Amino acid sequence: DAGVIQSPRHEVTEMGQEVTLRCKPISGHNSLFWYRQTMMRGLELLIYFNNNVPIDDSGMPEDRFSAKMPNASFSTLKIQPSEPRDSAVYFCASSTGVKNIQYFGAGTRLSVL
Amino acid sequence: QKEVEQNSGPLSVPEGAIASLNCTYSDRGSQSFFWYRQYSGKSPELIMSIYSNGDKEDGRFTAQLNKASQYVSLLIRDSQPSDSATYLCAVIWSGTASKLTFGTGTRLQVTL
Repeated sequence: DAGVIQSPRHEVTEMGQEVTLRCKPISGHNSLFWYRQTMMRGLELLIYFNNNVPIDDSGMPEDRFSAKMPNASFSTLKIQPSEPRDSAVYFCASSTGVKNIQYFGAGTRLSVL
Repeated sequence: QKEVEQNSGPLSVPEGAIASLNCTYSDRGSQSFFWYRQYSGKSPELIMSIYSNGDKEDGRFTAQLNKASQYVSLLIRDSQPSDSATYLCAVIWSGTASKLTFGTGTRLQVTL
C-alpha cells in the first residue's frame, strides 16, 4: 500500500497568493483529516471528513481556509489569500474508523514570504 | 478547555535503559488514547493505542492507562539511539467521534 500521499512536499509562496495542498488517502479509508503543525501550537486538527462529507471544521482558523473532498480518493486544502502566519507543516491523515487509528502522510511544508 | 499535557523534555536516557514518558488529560470520560512517534522533519507514526485500564505491551513498548487518575504513559525498554524522537500523546475526547487532540510532545534523547 502506498500510504497517504500529499503534494507538494514543499511550497514557497508570497503573501496574498492562493495555495492548494493535495491529499490522496489510503484506498478503502473512509475518514480523512487535515492537521497543521507549528512550533508554537503543536499539531492541530483543522477539519475532518467522513465518507467525503465534512464533519467538523471547527479547527479551520478563518475564512481564508477551505477544504474539499470531491471523491473518496482526493482532498484539497486551500488558503486564499495566504499570509506569513500560515507558514507551517500541513499533514493529511486517513483512517478506516476502526479503533480510530489514523495514518499520516509525509506532510507539506508551507512557507509564505 | 480540554487539554493533553506532556513534559516537553528533552528526556535523556542512556542506551539500554527504560524510558518513561507521561501524559495527562483533562476529560475523565475519554476512551481512546494513542502514542505517536515523530522523527525530526517526518510525519507522526502510530506506536501504540490503548482503550482499557491497565498495561498493553507490544515488543519493547508498553502503554499504561489509568482512567481514574487521567494519565497514560509509554515505557520503552532497552532504549536504542533510534528511539530518539518526539513522542506525541493523543486523546479522543468523549462525544467527539474521531477527533484526535495531541499533546505538544516529549523529546526523547537516547545517549550512547
